[in-house]
Amino acid sequence: EAQVTQNPRYLITVTGKKLTVTCSQNMNHEYMSWYRQDPGLGLRQIYYSMNVEVTDKGDVPEGYKVSRKEKRNFPLILESPSPNQTSLYFCASSLDLHEQYFGPGTRLTVT
Amino acid sequence: AQSVAQPEDQVNVAEGNPLTVKCTYSVSGNPYLFWYVQYPNRGLQFLLKYITGDNLVKGSYGFEAEFNKSQTSFHLKKPSALVSDSALYFCAVRGTLFSGGYNKLIFGAGTRLAVHP
Repeated sequence: EAQVTQNPRYLITVTGKKLTVTCSQNMNHEYMSWYRQDPGLGLRQIYYSMNVEVTDKGDVPEGYKVSRKEKRNFPLILESPSPNQTSLYFCASSLDLHEQYFGPGTRLTVT
Repeated sequence: AQSVAQPEDQVNVAEGNPLTVKCTYSVSGNPYLFWYVQYPNRGLQFLLKYITGDNLVKGSYGFEAEFNKSQTSFHLKKPSALVSDSALYFCAVRGTLFSGGYNKLIFGAGTRLAVHP
């Protein structure tokens, strides 16, 4: 089954404790992206990757890092999480950016 | 810079009635436009897209959208709403090479559709 998986689905952590949210897709898509969803703001792009070792900033990259060492994986790293990074995070992949496949989401709470 | 506006936070419609969810966009050049739907506790699902060609595009679950270049709009429509259509709907635009956002999707804030029995 074609899918995008994210782990963990729920995470509660404390300010400053480094964390990684994993994202994996099994569709051999070149394009992958991370978004955060906040009420009233819709989805905002954090980072995206056009292919292995090719990443670029989206609209809200501050406080986040990504890497793309394999085509199927695109982890999101928060080196020092802060409360303003409490949000719902989605990973997505796409063959051509015309139809993105989204993961189920990761709800992150930073206290 | 490209942007998307969804002017209604919520749309209420009775089951069986037609529905419209509005979207306007701002982008230099010819836009690529999309609609996605989010059901509760789920990720977003692709509904339909406009790239070029016929201004009326058809998508999943009986939805369609009309591209209007003069009004810079891309409204989502369905002739007869179902209770199961109740969800959060997002309009998105892909930037053009001219606008510098070709590899990015910009999403609107979302419109919650509530279909009442």
